[in-house]
Amino acid sequence: AQKVTQAQTEISVVEKEDVTLDCVYETRDTTYYLFWYKQPPSGELVFLIRRNSFDEQNEISGRYSWNFQKSTSSFNFTITASQVVDSAVYFCALSEARSGYSTLTFGKGTMLLVSP
Amino acid sequence: ETGVTQSPTHLIKTRGQQVTLRCSSQSGHNTVSWYQQALGQGPQFIFQYYREEENGRGNFPPRFSGLQFPNYSSELNVNALELDDSALYLCASSFTGGSGYEQYFGPGTRLTVT
Repeated sequence: AQKVTQAQTEISVVEKEDVTLDCVYETRDTTYYLFWYKQPPSGELVFLIRRNSFDEQNEISGRYSWNFQKSTSSFNFTITASQVVDSAVYFCALSEARSGYSTLTFGKGTMLLVSP
Repeated sequence: ETGVTQSPTHLIKTRGQQVTLRCSSQSGHNTVSWYQQALGQGPQFIFQYYREEENGRGNFPPRFSGLQFPNYSSELNVNALELDDSALYLCASSFTGGSGYEQYFGPGTRLTVT
């Protein structure tokens, strides 16, 4: 069965610090997708990134960057120069294509608190 | 492009009652998935609808049921509500048949069962 572990329950940083959110996954499939979502206090999950299992290239988008390492089954997320608006719960998720449909398996989330 | 919408925003029900939650998918999407998010937890997959049929289900009892309509909107019905059903219910829409698996989420319906 697939599983996503986010070991960090809560992280507190001061504005402008860099912060890395860890994600470790388990799957028996060779084809799968990894995601990060942001959940602000309003509750809506905001899609940040999707990565497929065949693409291990790291990605950078503004202050966000992602490090995907199949060898360690990790898909870590780094925010550079954090801002107060980055405060939210961040979820890592795994998707497998099974029997014609895909579903997301989420970790328990990491709450990020950025103080001024 | 219209995003995913859900109604109502909040709902309070009594144990044993029945509830219907609604979701309108993002334009261009044909698949709707429902998730339950208990406080402090990640969302848990309930089921997915494609072409008006359930095509995948998580570990939820039959009292959780759904519908998808020709316009791809969807309903989640929960019968015989239990206290543990109190949660944020999230609807996500996606497009089956393309190359991606992104699911775009609505703002959720917060259900409280007393």
